[in-house]
Amino acid sequence: NAGVMQNPRHLVRRRGQEARLRCSPMKGHSHVYWYRQLPEEGLKFMVYLQKENIIDESGMPKERFSAEFPKEGPSILRIQQVVRGDSAAYFCASSPPGASGLVNNEQFFGPGTRLTVL
Amino acid sequence: GIQVEQSPPDLILQEGANSTLRCNFSDSVNNLQWFHQNPWGQLINLFYIPSGTKQNGRLSATTVATERYSLLYISSSQTTDSGVYFCAVESYNTDKLIFGTGTRLQVFP
Repeated sequence: NAGVMQNPRHLVRRRGQEARLRCSPMKGHSHVYWYRQLPEEGLKFMVYLQKENIIDESGMPKERFSAEFPKEGPSILRIQQVVRGDSAAYFCASSPPGASGLVNNEQFFGPGTRLTVL
Repeated sequence: GIQVEQSPPDLILQEGANSTLRCNFSDSVNNLQWFHQNPWGQLINLFYIPSGTKQNGRLSATTVATERYSLLYISSSQTTDSGVYFCAVESYNTDKLIFGTGTRLQVFP
């Protein structure tokens, strides 16, 4: 019964390069969330996706960041032209289908991808 | 937006001691979760507790939704309990968790 999978666990990029972070939700889950944790801070919501749809991207920076959750395959968080301020831990979470409103909407988190920008 | 405050910010205990961590939130919530982030950075689900009381071994949690707070109790603490404890809430009509600033717990032998 695998949990939420993320890869890579650690990623090092030079300024200006692209970073691609992958997330496979728990089996049977169709809702995916991305959160960012800056050093010594709590997690901040970035984006919420369902298959082929972005539901809420209110926490995403306006430029350079994008996310997708295709019909087949993992969810991808893409950061173009990375800068030192993008260095952080990026966590993915998933929840079961129908998880909204008054039903059980517990989110389960992956181990995170630690991005370091040199 | 909803505000989430946790106290105390830091807690130092000797092994075997008990502790209570508090989470206050500023509006009605649809979801409340407690997490433990261990020293390796992994985020571990402790409780899904939008209301009521739950227990899991040495840990228990109580959420009083009408008074907008939740408590996490750790009894007979062990060094492996060290790390940061986060409370996170979700408002009605949203699907995102808003995290508190955490309580950093250090347990010494």
